[in-house]
Amino acid sequence: DQQVKQNSPSLSVQEGRISILNCDYTNSMFDYFLWYKKYPAEGPTFLISISSIKDKNEDGRFTVFLNKSAKHLSLHIVPSQPGDSAVYFCAASANSGNTPLVFGKGTRLSVIA
Amino acid sequence: EPEVTQTPSHQVTQMGQEVILRCVPISNHLYFYWYRQILGQKVEFLVSFYNNEISEKSEIFDDQFSVERPDGSNFTLKIRSTKLEDSAMYFCASSEGWAGPDGYTFGSGTRLTVV
Repeated sequence: DQQVKQNSPSLSVQEGRISILNCDYTNSMFDYFLWYKKYPAEGPTFLISISSIKDKNEDGRFTVFLNKSAKHLSLHIVPSQPGDSAVYFCAASANSGNTPLVFGKGTRLSVIA
Repeated sequence: EPEVTQTPSHQVTQMGQEVILRCVPISNHLYFYWYRQILGQKVEFLVSFYNNEISEKSEIFDDQFSVERPDGSNFTLKIRSTKLEDSAMYFCASSEGWAGPDGYTFGSGTRLTVV
């Protein structure tokens, strides 16, 4: 039962271009969403979050968009840099972030110089 | 920057043996979690711990698993009798509140290999 789905296991993007990572969810109780980045041999690190009362949140090169009616969110990275190469996990929580995070399977982003 | 520390980084154990995975959460955090990731799979929730008791646990967290905060700094995950399918990367995490606003801080993980 995959409540959080990242349907693209991998993505390759040229340096300087936009990276778009997608995430879909099925549980309509989810109201808080986060993106984590993971390098090999390290734990996931928090990147950016969005509450369901918003449809966009921006932090530097990273922007997360939320489409509640489609139960879809996306992470945009502009411009992409080689250091952005990592696995990106989408995560969701319910009850205003008061339930444990549910993660997707991750998307491996490769930014090519 | 404060971090969550996990030891050991890699543990190899024989099937049926008990293992204890150790974690030192960030000192002012109140919520503690264990997650695991089987190779190639998603990061799965095991258990959350608050105020010295389990807050929530998943179906994975059966009677073979237990957690403990034996002192003011450590948070441990014990697997009583390991199975081959317990082989995974185990991540400890901690947070000040629940998920918001900055989510959890994860440790680097312990790779458990059951042979």
